[in-house]
Amino acid sequence: EPEVTQTPSHQVTQMGQEVILRCVPISNHLYFYWYRQILGQKVEFLVSFYNNEISEKSEIFDDQFSVERPDGSNFTLKIRSTKLEDSAMYFCASSPRQGYEQYFGPGTRLTVT
Amino acid sequence: QKEVEQDPGPLSVPEGAIVSLNCTYSNSAFQYFMWYRQYSRKGPELLMYTYSSGNKEDGRFTAQVDKSSKYISLFIRDSQPSDSATYLCAMSTRGLTNAGKSTFGDGTTLTVKP
Repeated sequence: EPEVTQTPSHQVTQMGQEVILRCVPISNHLYFYWYRQILGQKVEFLVSFYNNEISEKSEIFDDQFSVERPDGSNFTLKIRSTKLEDSAMYFCASSPRQGYEQYFGPGTRLTVT
Repeated sequence: QKEVEQDPGPLSVPEGAIVSLNCTYSNSAFQYFMWYRQYSRKGPELLMYTYSSGNKEDGRFTAQVDKSSKYISLFIRDSQPSDSATYLCAMSTRGLTNAGKSTFGDGTTLTVKP
């Protein structure tokens, strides 16, 4: 069964450093998302992406965040200058149709020290 | 008021019990409803999805939606210890101006005791 994959599974970085989180969505899906979940809290929407551009972004997704689909398979989230409060699980999701069910990857645990 | 409120739990039941997990919502624009299961430090796993009021059954799981009351439920029959996890409800709108982000409840942690 097709699934969303994410790398790395765990990333440790120092405050102020740039990180890139990578995702390979399900191959025939057209809509892509990033969510984050701070430990013990709810899953929060960051950004949605369709047709090579951002469709919607949350208040969390400020200028230090960016997304890219550099080729036909990868979908990346870049955090330019990490802060301690960026420590969280980051989940990539994809969907075959707008507003329908989303399939999540296993997540990348980001630890900022 | 939160857009999505989920019964907080935690919930502990004996093996074989029927489990009821519930969410209410305030945004009438929500049209698509999902239930996810999440194990600790793992990604949400899609269990059920539906867009119409009424019941949808899949094996031991039944998803129920009542749009008039803005209330959704997930029922688990014959619960098993392997069902022990956190259950998340999620909802999305569909429209031309966005790509259907999901709004999640806080989750209900279920423990099924052998």
